[in-house]
Amino acid sequence: DQQVKQNSPSLSVQEGRISILNCDYTNSMFDYFLWYKKYPAEGPTFLISISSIKDKNEDGRFTVFLNKSAKHLSLHIVPSQPGDSAVYFCAASTSTSYGKLTFGQGTILTVHP
Amino acid sequence: NAGVMQNPRHLVRRRGQEARLRCSPMKGHSHVYWYRQLPEEGLKFMVYLQKENIIDESGMPKERFSAEFPKEGPSILRIQQVVRGDSAAYFCASSRTGGGLTAEAFFGQGTRLTVV
Repeated sequence: DQQVKQNSPSLSVQEGRISILNCDYTNSMFDYFLWYKKYPAEGPTFLISISSIKDKNEDGRFTVFLNKSAKHLSLHIVPSQPGDSAVYFCAASTSTSYGKLTFGQGTILTVHP
Repeated sequence: NAGVMQNPRHLVRRRGQEARLRCSPMKGHSHVYWYRQLPEEGLKFMVYLQKENIIDESGMPKERFSAEFPKEGPSILRIQQVVRGDSAAYFCASSRTGGGLTAEAFFGQGTRLTVV
């Protein structure tokens, strides 16, 4: 049972344009959501998070939107840069154990110069 | 301030051997989590430990796998009698607390286990 889903295995974007990565979840107990970026042969690196009491969180070029009624969140990167090319994982947890994360399958983002 | 340190980075074991993966959490972090990433998949939670205690092992296979986080020293993920299906990247993460704003988990670079 995949509780966190990233339905797009890959996304290709031109440099300078917006990248939108999507994530859906099924478990209504999740109240904390995170995005991680991962390069090959490295561990995931935390990007940005959002609590369920908010619907938007912004940090520089990265913005995460949360739609609780649709159980959907998205990560917007604008403007996209070639260095953003990596695998992006969506993850979710509950307030009782933030470190126990349920991950999506990941989306490979490629930003072309 | 060193991050989460995992060793070895790469480990090759023959079927039937034992694999020991080590994880030293970030300084000041007392919560450790182990995750496994199979090829072409996302990371899957395995176990959550605090010093000398297993808090949640709901993601651990029932046999051959064990984990510990002793009072002194790194956390150890132990796989006995490895099989080809154990080949994966194993990631350790640590956090300062288990809940609240300081519970953000930081990941190590992983140990890539190959069973031949």
